[in-house]
Amino acid sequence: SAVISQKPSRDICQRGTSLTIQCQVDSQVTMMFWYRQQPGQSLTLIATANQGSEATYESGFVIDKFPISRPNLTFSTLTVSNMSPEDSSIYLCSVRTLAEAFFGQGTRLTVV
Amino acid sequence: AQSVTQPDIHITVSEGASLELRCNYSYGATPYLFWYVQSPGQGLQLLLKYFSGDTLVQGIKGFEAEFKRSQSSFNLRKPSVHWSDAAEYFCAVGSSNTGNQFYFGTGTSLTVIP
Repeated sequence: SAVISQKPSRDICQRGTSLTIQCQVDSQVTMMFWYRQQPGQSLTLIATANQGSEATYESGFVIDKFPISRPNLTFSTLTVSNMSPEDSSIYLCSVRTLAEAFFGQGTRLTVV
Repeated sequence: AQSVTQPDIHITVSEGASLELRCNYSYGATPYLFWYVQSPGQGLQLLLKYFSGDTLVQGIKGFEAEFKRSQSSFNLRKPSVHWSDAAEYFCAVGSSNTGNQFYFGTGTSLTVIP
């Protein structure tokens, strides 16, 4: 199993600012996944973060808007840049084993 | 392309009644199938999973799901719903490659009435 600590758990931010979300895993993992869950919606993958290389972004998500760092095998950050109210969502960090995907508690972001 | 469909956006059942949440998937390889539950303000918790073998799998909290390859379905069931089961339920499909993402359905919101 894996235990994921994600912070902050929630934040209210002004439009035009940036927020960095941190994700710490209690074991070493090759890949970490960042998801967005918009209000009333399912989870949408933003990007896959690999240690030692550039993150891989899904269609509709770009590095300038969602820069990701992956400095080691247990930690990653996602930054939501130049925020607008449309970025108000829950952002979740996730890792996989063969048996299941594990998720952080999420960061509930409100942009005003 | 991989996809997961949960046809029911919202379901309301009476406490004590039976429940079935539908899930259909499209996946090129042999799928690994999962059901997750998300209570309000909480993260996602794994209810059960199917990899291979017995097509009827048991999970936590009295839930079970049946894999039907011919129908590409993995429906979640519970014989008697409790008020605490009110939550959002997500079906997901993944592969045996841990470097691959999970694909999630759009979720079914369950309301339980007394």
